[in-house]
Amino acid sequence: QLQLQESGPGLVKPSETLSLTCTVSGGSISSSSYYWGWIRQPPGKGLEWIGSIYYSGSTYYNPSLKSRVTISVDTSKNQFSLKLSSVTAADTAVYYCARHEVIAIDYWGQGTLVTVSS
Amino acid sequence: QTVVTQEPSFSVSPGGTVTLTCGLSSGSVSTSYYPSWYQQTPGQAPRTLIYSTNTRSSGVPDRFSGSILGNKAALTITGAQADDESDYYCVLYMGSGFWVFGGGTKLTVL
Repeated sequence: QLQLQESGPGLVKPSETLSLTCTVSGGSISSSSYYWGWIRQPPGKGLEWIGSIYYSGSTYYNPSLKSRVTISVDTSKNQFSLKLSSVTAADTAVYYCARHEVIAIDYWGQGTLVTVSS
Repeated sequence: QTVVTQEPSFSVSPGGTVTLTCGLSSGSVSTSYYPSWYQQTPGQAPRTLIYSTNTRSSGVPDRFSGSILGNKAALTITGAQADDESDYYCVLYMGSGFWVFGGGTKLTVL
């Protein structure tokens, strides 16, 4: 059974860079035809797709966040990572990592709350 | 800017049928958008219900079904149960590696 687990600081200061890692177990992050993505949910609000990295290494970002987002993969550690720069309070959210195809998200991490505050 | 629209809230009686919809601020939803649906209860990660318009994910009861109704994607719950009370989100694939979530529908069963 595939499992995804987010990790990283729960508190980030305004203007700094948010960094999260998703560790994949029970399967290879190099599996063909899958995307590995990040999704967030501000407290009390809806879900927002941040971006994804394809197994080939191609990256795709939400246009509204593109200038601040970088997603990368470390196949040796079976992990992928999110960096979001110049954060503000509006970036406070639960961040989920997920595996998906074009047609569906099939595995989700449990989510991790990141608060942006000084 | 692409906006995916959902009803903010809906209520259904136990045993009743409810249809939630997923539309576009401009244009019609078709199967080419590969609409998918996710259920989320408070404090939990979302759960995949339906993908590719009408395919149920493994373990999802058959009281959940997906379709295209008119110019929108739809999620129908037939014989609603108390534990169906959740938030429901649709996702549309816009192409070129770009997915958009709808704003979500809060379903109350009462």
